[in-house]
Amino acid sequence: GAVVSQHPSWVICKSGTSVKIECRSLDFQATTMFWYRQFPKQSLMLMATSNEGSKATYEQGVEKDKFLINHASLTLSTLTVTSAHPEDSSFYICSARVGLNTGELFFGEGSRLTVL
Amino acid sequence: AQKVTQAQTEISVVEKEDVTLDCVYETRDTTYYLFWYKQPPSGELVFLIRRNSFDEQNEISGRYSWNFQKSTSSFNFTITASQVVDSAVYFCALSHPGTYKYIFGTGTRLKVLA
Repeated sequence: GAVVSQHPSWVICKSGTSVKIECRSLDFQATTMFWYRQFPKQSLMLMATSNEGSKATYEQGVEKDKFLINHASLTLSTLTVTSAHPEDSSFYICSARVGLNTGELFFGEGSRLTVL
Repeated sequence: AQKVTQAQTEISVVEKEDVTLDCVYETRDTTYYLFWYKQPPSGELVFLIRRNSFDEQNEISGRYSWNFQKSTSSFNFTITASQVVDSAVYFCALSHPGTYKYIFGTGTRLKVLA
């Protein structure tokens, strides 16, 4: 199956700093990627849809200036958490569609962010 | 409105018991997909099954089986002869071919005790 890789797997940062998380499709081109957020013991919530070469589409309630998404190539999307605060601590998971009309996404391993 | 409900927050069973995880969904669309994922403590989502709305056949894969009933909008997941390694959070999800946006249920935490 298609492989989606995230980096870093976990990161600890100080409050006020920015953190970048990368999401790569390793063996396929992904025109569309999705970023999800999961708080401890909660479900996954869609944050935004990332389209290659265009601006991301954010879900209601997600701050665009806080969570910067860039999809500069067909194999890479990045999520930058700007001026991170402890409440941004969460598990961030990216996913990608392969292109076939299967309705299925392939998920990365997730990135655990802890803001001190 | 689109929604996925997993009413069971946490289930504990003893090893070798059978366990069924419930999933009820809501959608107005006639074409949609349903999924089950396993999320072990490490966090990654492990794909278990995909079912499209036109295929109501039940499926069995080893100790896993799925019962899809459109009449009750349910897509339940049964693990037979549970094992400790089955301990994880299980998510049911709904998506549509056009948007690919997944709507996840709240998850069911399964604990299998030795």
